[in-house]
Amino acid sequence: EVQLVESGGGLIQPGRSLRLSCAASGFTFDDYAMHWVRQAPGKGLEWVSGISWSSGSIVYADSVKGRFTISRDNARNSLYLQMNSIRAEDMALYYCAKGHTYGGNGGYDAFDIWGQGTMVTVSS
Amino acid sequence: QSALAQPASVSGSPGQSITISCTGTSTDVTTYNYVSWYQHHPGKAPKLMIYDVSKRPSGISDRFSGSKSGNTASLTISGLQAEDEADYYCSSYTTRTHVLFGGGTKLTVL
Repeated sequence: EVQLVESGGGLIQPGRSLRLSCAASGFTFDDYAMHWVRQAPGKGLEWVSGISWSSGSIVYADSVKGRFTISRDNARNSLYLQMNSIRAEDMALYYCAKGHTYGGNGGYDAFDIWGQGTMVTVSS
Repeated sequence: QSALAQPASVSGSPGQSITISCTGTSTDVTTYNYVSWYQHHPGKAPKLMIYDVSKRPSGISDRFSGSKSGNTASLTISGLQAEDEADYYCSSYTTRTHVLFGGGTKLTVL
């Protein structure tokens, strides 16, 4: 079964750091770009970051550039998001998503597999 | 960059057809045939329904179709069913920020 399972969310104070993880199974992980997409409470979807299959190409939304770092470990079929200098506006449900295009570069793609999400709550 | 413009809500009766619009600009929808549509039932993972404007992933019903004209992409659902009630989001490639989502449309099946 093709599956993405996120973890690492929780309650975090503004200014602190948090690392999200996404475990992939059921497909050849290192053939596809991977992405993080978030949804703030009561709001729509917002793309956060994408990484190519080889980690050679990484892109970020302006809202997180310089604070968040995406990475992947193909040997472990895992995707990560290191969140530093967290702000109130980062509070959201964070989804891990697989890019549809074989060998995708981490930029625009259709997202054909999504996890259930992990919630990041920002509060002092 | 602002989100792509979608109507906040649409509704239809079972068996009817509805269309959800997604309006962009010259830096996204107008110029590029990279528009996707997602169905999102609250509490569940979003589901890809349409990609590259009008292509359906394997397993997606042909009741769902996509099109584009000028700066507006559209998702049409024919033969509306109760289980189609969900939030729908469009997304597009954009030259400025790579990926841009619409604000979302809540579909109510009456």
